[in-house]
Amino acid sequence: AQSVTQLDSQVPVFEEAPVELRCNYSSSVSVYLFWYVQYPNQGLQLLLKYLSGSTLVKGINGFEAEFNKSQTSFHLRKPSVHISDTAEHFCALQGGGFKTIFGAGTRLFVKA
Amino acid sequence: DAGVTQSPTHLIKTRGQQVTLRCSPKSGHDTVSWYQQALGQGPQFIFQYYEEEERQRGNFPDRFSGHQFPNYSSELNVNALLLGDSALYLCASGRDGLINSPLHFGNGTRLTVT
Repeated sequence: AQSVTQLDSQVPVFEEAPVELRCNYSSSVSVYLFWYVQYPNQGLQLLLKYLSGSTLVKGINGFEAEFNKSQTSFHLRKPSVHISDTAEHFCALQGGGFKTIFGAGTRLFVKA
Repeated sequence: DAGVTQSPTHLIKTRGQQVTLRCSPKSGHDTVSWYQQALGQGPQFIFQYYEEEERQRGNFPDRFSGHQFPNYSSELNVNALLLGDSALYLCASGRDGLINSPLHFGNGTRLTVT
């Protein structure tokens, strides 16, 4: 069975500080990994994706993530957050089928 | 270029009733997936439609059914509604043949069952 675990349900951080949102996954087959963001009353938007190649991937809005196969992790980072980054963030995987499996989400809360 | 559109945005139903939710995929997309997002949780896969057929289904009962039309739009039907069906229902579209392409989501339909 495949699964995604987001290790923190909430991450409060001050504006302009760095942040890391942690994601671990489990799968017996090769996977493709994604981070999505959800703003209030909206659907999900893709932040970045890892399909193959370089393990460090860059996405929109200054976010980046590093794929670590040995630790089965795909942590999301941003060196300096803004108030507008306050949102729910979801780690997700695809592998061996057509469905995408999502984690429970991490609420990033940026304080002024 | 319109993205994924869903209707209605909000819906209130009573236990035991039936509901139909609608989705139009992003232009150029031919697959439609439906997800249920309960409050405070991540989206859960219900099923995916391609070429008017359901080709993969998640762990949802038969009360959940769907349809895809020749123009690629889709409907999600839920029969015999339960209180636990209250959730945000998200539609996501994609292009078949693009290996592991990311999903494009609509803004969802908020269903409340009373």
